[in-house]
Amino acid sequence: GENVEQHPSTLSVQEGDSAVIKCTYSDSASNYFPWYKQELGKRPQLIIDIRSNVGEKKDQRIAVTLNKTAKHFSLHITETQPEDSAVYFCAASMRSEKLTFGTGTRLTIIP
Amino acid sequence: DAGITQSPRHKVTETGTPVTLRCHQTENHRYMYWYRQDPGHGLRLIHYSYGVKDTDKGEVSDGYSVSRSKTEDFLLTLESATSSQTSVYFCATGPRIQETQYFGPGTRLLVL
Repeated sequence: GENVEQHPSTLSVQEGDSAVIKCTYSDSASNYFPWYKQELGKRPQLIIDIRSNVGEKKDQRIAVTLNKTAKHFSLHITETQPEDSAVYFCAASMRSEKLTFGTGTRLTIIP
Repeated sequence: DAGITQSPRHKVTETGTPVTLRCHQTENHRYMYWYRQDPGHGLRLIHYSYGVKDTDKGEVSDGYSVSRSKTEDFLLTLESATSSQTSVYFCATGPRIQETQYFGPGTRLLVL
């Protein structure tokens, strides 16, 4: 089955700086890559996703890039704000109902 | 948040007892999922359903069973709870494959 590795497990950045979280996946058949954000004590929520026919996707301060050759994808958050503090999960899916999640990155924004 | 509720929200039980968690949705989504969340492991799929009475196993299905007799309800049963099943359990739903999954608020289960 699919295996997704996520790094780093924790990340601290100064407010206003950028944050980057990286994930690698094992199965080249994977074609859907969502990112979920989970605030403390809350449920995970989708923040952005990308499909294998696209190399990059942006939504305001958030962007995701995909490198199919290297089988990795990354989440970029620019101009970080305190409300960006959360745990972020990447995931991958191989043309199926199922998602395989990474182990999560705890992002802390330092004021 | 999508109309997804979970019950109970918190439960403490003893080893060896059966436990049933309920997920209820009002979104008429076809797909429903049960995940467990543990530190260092992220979200791991236990079982999922792709329609009424249609279910399949996820990556950590041992010791768990599910049932879906109605579109809106998806039940997760721990046949005989063990301490290793202490976790936070999330239900999720989705209208189509490879689209947004909407998560419920979670159930915190402690097995003593």
